[in-house]
Amino acid sequence: DQQVKQNSPSLSVQEGRISILNCDYTNSMFDYFLWYKKYPAEGPTFLISISSIKDKNEDGRFTVFLNKSAKHLSLHIVPSQPGDSAVYFCAATSAGGTSYGKLTFGQGTILTVHP
Amino acid sequence: GAGVSQTPSNKVTEKGKYVELRCDPISGHTALYWYRQSLGQGPEFLIYFQGTGAADDSGLPNDRFFAVRPEGSVSTLKIQRTERGDSAVYLCASSWGRGNSPLHFGNGTRLTVT
Repeated sequence: DQQVKQNSPSLSVQEGRISILNCDYTNSMFDYFLWYKKYPAEGPTFLISISSIKDKNEDGRFTVFLNKSAKHLSLHIVPSQPGDSAVYFCAATSAGGTSYGKLTFGQGTILTVHP
Repeated sequence: GAGVSQTPSNKVTEKGKYVELRCDPISGHTALYWYRQSLGQGPEFLIYFQGTGAADDSGLPNDRFFAVRPEGSVSTLKIQRTERGDSAVYLCASSWGRGNSPLHFGNGTRLTVT
């Protein structure tokens, strides 16, 4: 039962263009969503998050959009840079629970940004 | 150190053996988490400590898996009678344990059971 799904295993983008990574979830109890970035042989690194009371959150080149009715979120990276090449994980949690850190992750999307 | 430290970085063991994986969280972080990442998948939650006690161990797959955090800092994940299916990267993360403070992950221990 995959409660968080990232249906695109990989994405290839030209430097300077927009990267859009998508994520769908099924559990309506999820109310806090995060994106993590992972380089090979390293642990995931927190990128950006959004609470279900918002539909958009921006941090520099990174913007996360949340569509609660569709149970869908996306991460936009503008402009994309070669250093953004990594695996991106979408994660969700129920903030009303005992721990914000008990996350359910998607399978990840490999982003490659070409110079 | 500045980040979460996990040792060893790689561990190869034979089926049926016992292994211990160690995690040193960021100093001052009260919450500690263990996750497991299999090839091609995202990390899966195993267990969460708030201080010394296991607040949620619902992700442990079976009773061969056990984790401790006796002094509220370093944690050890213990796996008995290892099986080939236990092969994965075991990730540890820590946080301030309040509000929506994000998890800080270590680089993981790659466990291979032969």
